[in-house]
Amino acid sequence: GQQLNQSPQSMFIQEGEDVSMNCTSSSIFNTWLWYKQDPGEGPVLLIALYKAGELTSNGRLTAQFGITRKDSFLNISASIPSDVGIYFCAGRRDDKIIFGKGTRLHILP
Amino acid sequence: GAGVSQTPSNKVTEKGKYVELRCDPISGHTALYWYRQSLGQGPEFLIYFQGTGAADDSGLPNDRFFAVRPEGSVSTLKIQRTERGDSAVYLCASSLTGGDNEQFFGPGTRLTVL
Repeated sequence: GQQLNQSPQSMFIQEGEDVSMNCTSSSIFNTWLWYKQDPGEGPVLLIALYKAGELTSNGRLTAQFGITRKDSFLNISASIPSDVGIYFCAGRRDDKIIFGKGTRLHILP
Repeated sequence: GAGVSQTPSNKVTEKGKYVELRCDPISGHTALYWYRQSLGQGPEFLIYFQGTGAADDSGLPNDRFFAVRPEGSVSTLKIQRTERGDSAVYLCASSLTGGDNEQFFGPGTRLTVL
């Protein structure tokens, strides 16, 4: 079963607002990943984190790998309509990727 | 270049029937993965191929599920005696050589068992 706890489950925000979502695990991962999934598509990798404490940015996205290796957060600044979708945190263990349940982002007009 | 493709995009079948789902990975990728995504959940790992061999099949839920990759490229996920609980989106991903290489996902096959 799933080992990652992702929160919040869903978010409703206004366009232009900043977004923050996080993920915790009961066990250590050596790599944390953040994906976005649009309807009818597979997940697409946004950011990969490899070192405890690492802070990485990709455009308006920023993610951090927790020092304990058991948590991570993703921030999205100045949200735009195309940010709508489901965001998954994931940890890599051996060759498997273990996904959280996702955070569904809605942007209000 | 083409990404990972999966066929069919949708499959509706009756309980007890046999189904095959096909995955065409990115050309040259030696590693191929199958995941299952139930409604409202994240993808769950099923099986990983390195070349022609299944390197890790620990995620297959039971012996009704089987996957092959006979020539190290296209893979087929086979489900026997389908049950309503098998209804889900089945995702395929490939990566260049496995390990820390990025896994690129296909759009999935939505399987509905009536």
